Amino acid sequence: EAGVAQSPRYKIIEKRQSVAFWCNPISGHATLYWYQQILGQGPKLLIQFQNNGVVDDSQLPKDRFSAERLKGVDSTLKIQPAKLEDSAVYLCATQAGTGELFFGEGSRLTVL
Amino acid sequence: AQSVTQLGSHVSVSEGALVLLRCNYSSSVPPYLFWYVQYPNQGLQLLLKYTTGATLVKGINGFEAEFKKSETSFHLTKPSAHMSDAAEYFCAVSEASTLTFGKGTMLLVSP
Repeated sequence: EAGVAQSPRYKIIEKRQSVAFWCNPISGHATLYWYQQILGQGPKLLIQFQNNGVVDDSQLPKDRFSAERLKGVDSTLKIQPAKLEDSAVYLCATQAGTGELFFGEGSRLTVL
Repeated sequence: AQSVTQLGSHVSVSEGALVLLRCNYSSSVPPYLFWYVQYPNQGLQLLLKYTTGATLVKGINGFEAEFKKSETSFHLTKPSAHMSDAAEYFCAVSEASTLTFGKGTMLLVSP
């Protein structure tokens, strides 16, 4: 089966610009997560969706980050305006019925 | 709140030597525990998981981990390291459906 697809793989922007990342989950996986992985650290949960509803966004910096999952399938994560400290890999993951998370390859953001 | 501590940001072993990556956790409920591996420029891949039942869990690529409730530990081991095991390893704990990761341990394997 196809895995979790993410795009773009790499993005370089200047601070105060905006950026959007896209995630296409594995078919049938109702739960979708966005994680932020800063260099040298473990992934940190930003937001969790169950179908098209938000389950947990307590760690999402809502003044600049937004995410949506229209129709409960694809999801987008947006940052506007970006800061230097937003440089990280943004990982999308979806959850199977077994509880296992399947991760995409990530979108690496560099903010200059 | 749950948390994970991985001892050692880097572990170096020789090919053929024992691999031991340490993980301690805290959780307010019986935990689900996971080990993930991340190769350069790739996403995380599940190595193994503990949910309930047998405390010694076997995973892919010859790795295994033992859940020790009294020590709140879930250390990852492999009897004989291979060059292809060089990667970053993350321990994670789950409460409800939220996964919390440790900071990761980079495994370096020398010939």
